[in-house]
Parts: sequence; C-alpha cells; structure tokens
Amino acid sequence: DIQMTQSPSSLSASVGDRVTITCRASQGIVNYLAWFQQKPGRAPKSLIYAASSLQSGVPSKFSGSGSGTDFTLTISSLQPEDSATYYCQQYYSYPLTFGGGTKVEIK
Amino acid sequence: EVQLVESGGGLVQPGGSLRVSCAASGFIFSGYEMMWIRQAPGKGLEWVSYIAGSSSPIYYRDSVKGRFTISRDNSKNLLYLQMNSLRAEDTGVYYCARGLHGGYWGQGTLVTVSS
Repeated sequence: DIQMTQSPSSLSASVGDRVTITCRASQGIVNYLAWFQQKPGRAPKSLIYAASSLQSGVPSKFSGSGSGTDFTLTISSLQPEDSATYYCQQYYSYPLTFGGGTKVEIK
Repeated sequence: EVQLVESGGGLVQPGGSLRVSCAASGFIFSGYEMMWIRQAPGKGLEWVSYIAGSSSPIYYRDSVKGRFTISRDNSKNLLYLQMNSLRAEDTGVYYCARGLHGGYWGQGTLVTVSS
C-alpha cells in the first residue's frame, strides 16, 4: 500500500498569511493526487485534483503543486473560513489512501 | 447541480448486516465511477470500495473484502454498499463520492456497530 504522510499535523496562522501543507507519498504516484477540505461536522470538499488542477468553484487562493512523491497545497492568503482539516489522497493505485490530515487554525 | 444523498445508516449489532445507499442526481450516473469512503469518529478518511460506471472493475480495501459488496443500479441512479459480518471497527460515517479523485461527496450516513 502507498503511505501518504502529511505535515504538519496541525498549524496556527494569522489572517492573510500564506500557508503551505506538504504531502509525501511512500512511492511515486506521478500526479494522481487530490486535496480535500473538511470542516467540523461536514463532508469533505474537493479542492484540487491531478496535483494542481483546481476543482470547479474553488477559489484561486488554493493551489497545488508537485509530482512523483512530494506535493504541496498552498493557501495564498488565509481567511477565517479556511479553518478546517485538509487531507491529501493518492489515486494512483489500490487501495486508495489518504494522508492523516492537517488541521489549520486561525490565530 | 450534482447531488449525492446517502441513507440507510443506523445502529447494528456486531455480526449484523446493513445496506447503505447513495442517490445520485444532476449528472449522467452511468458515466462515472463511484467510491465509498468512511470516517471513524474523530479519525481521518479511509477509502472502502470503488466501482466503475459499468460495474466492472470493483475494488475493496482488504479489511472489508468478503464482507462488503458494492453495487449500483444505473437505471435508478443508485449506489449501494451491502455490509455483512459488521465489526465495531466498521463504525463511522460512510460517504459516497463521485470519481476516482472524489470530485463530489454526499453528506454521509452514520453506521454504528455496537451491542
């Protein structure tokens, strides 16, 4: 199975800060990587697919990059509504696997 | 508008069975692969099963193989997950999602396995 390791597991940042979350795959997954945002009590929401393609309707402050084993999700200017847990997921091979999540809090 | 609505969750005893459903609307259901993903209370996301638009191929995570069965009825725009021999560790919110990279998710249905 491909292990997905996210870092950090949590972070606290101020409104307007640029925030970067890292996701590392235990083996190469080309660009078969998605990012999700989940707020408490809510279903996950798709942000990014194919490592860097923005899902329809998602604000452009979210961006993704990377290929192979190392990927990043960046929020260009953090806003209060971005407080959530973020997950990466590889869909290169079965079983599909998720990272452990990164909880983003606003200072 | 794409909508996915899960139903059928509930409380079941260990060893029991339950079938959860996902009603799809707003897109050509038969043209999309679908997945079930679950989330134990306070934990992260865990992929459970995949089904192609034509119902083949199908994949499961090892811990549910032989106990869970994914299926779909493209004439009714419905996705199913039949869960047998349920265990306490199967407890969680079960989400259906469209596409291999989960472009759209339902709101989830809670399955609790407990005596």
